[in-house]
Amino acid sequence: KNEVEQSPQNLTAQEGEFITINCSYSVGISALHWLQQHPGGGIVSLFMLSSGKKKHGRLIATINIQEKHSSLHITASHPRDSAVYICAAAYNTDKLIFGTGTRLQVFP
Amino acid sequence: KAGVTQTPRYLIKTRGQQVTLSCSPISGHRSVSWYQQTPGQGLQFLFEYFSETQRNKGNFPGRFSGRQFSNSRSEMNVSTLELGDSALYLCASSFASGGPLNTGELFFGEGSRLTVL
Repeated sequence: KNEVEQSPQNLTAQEGEFITINCSYSVGISALHWLQQHPGGGIVSLFMLSSGKKKHGRLIATINIQEKHSSLHITASHPRDSAVYICAAAYNTDKLIFGTGTRLQVFP
Repeated sequence: KAGVTQTPRYLIKTRGQQVTLSCSPISGHRSVSWYQQTPGQGLQFLFEYFSETQRNKGNFPGRFSGRQFSNSRSEMNVSTLELGDSALYLCASSFASGGPLNTGELFFGEGSRLTVL
């Protein structure tokens, strides 16, 4: 069964803290997307991974194919990072399945 | 470079009506995918088009359909609207030929918020 499980559902942090959001999936994915959604609905693609690790500014995404697990890390978190973070697994069976999202709030 | 443009941004329909939503991708992008977002079901993949052909389809009834034109602009249509079709409909374009199911980074529009009364 193709599934995507994301944790935690909600996350609160103080400015400057290191944040980790986790995503687990079933076998047979061709890519894993990390998305950011701000209030109002706009979605921004943060990363698209099929292996290894990617870094963009304070954001780092990793994927472990053997463990079927991906993580999104935010270093030195800032209130502007407050958003919903969503992972999405692209399965070889031609399905794109989304996690339920992690609502992050960073307080100054 | 202009982003992905979706129209209309907001619309209200009544049950039984039909609706057509439009998506203009980033220039040069040939893959357009559509998504439905509701509070209860979250984000769900509707379908994806590449070079005017539907390549992939999610688990939605036949009332949901779409098409892509030669200029890569895409439309989706929902017929015989139901209350449960109220949602934010998002489209995304991708440059890579693999689209969202392979190696294509996604660029999202702002969405069309549909309310069915």
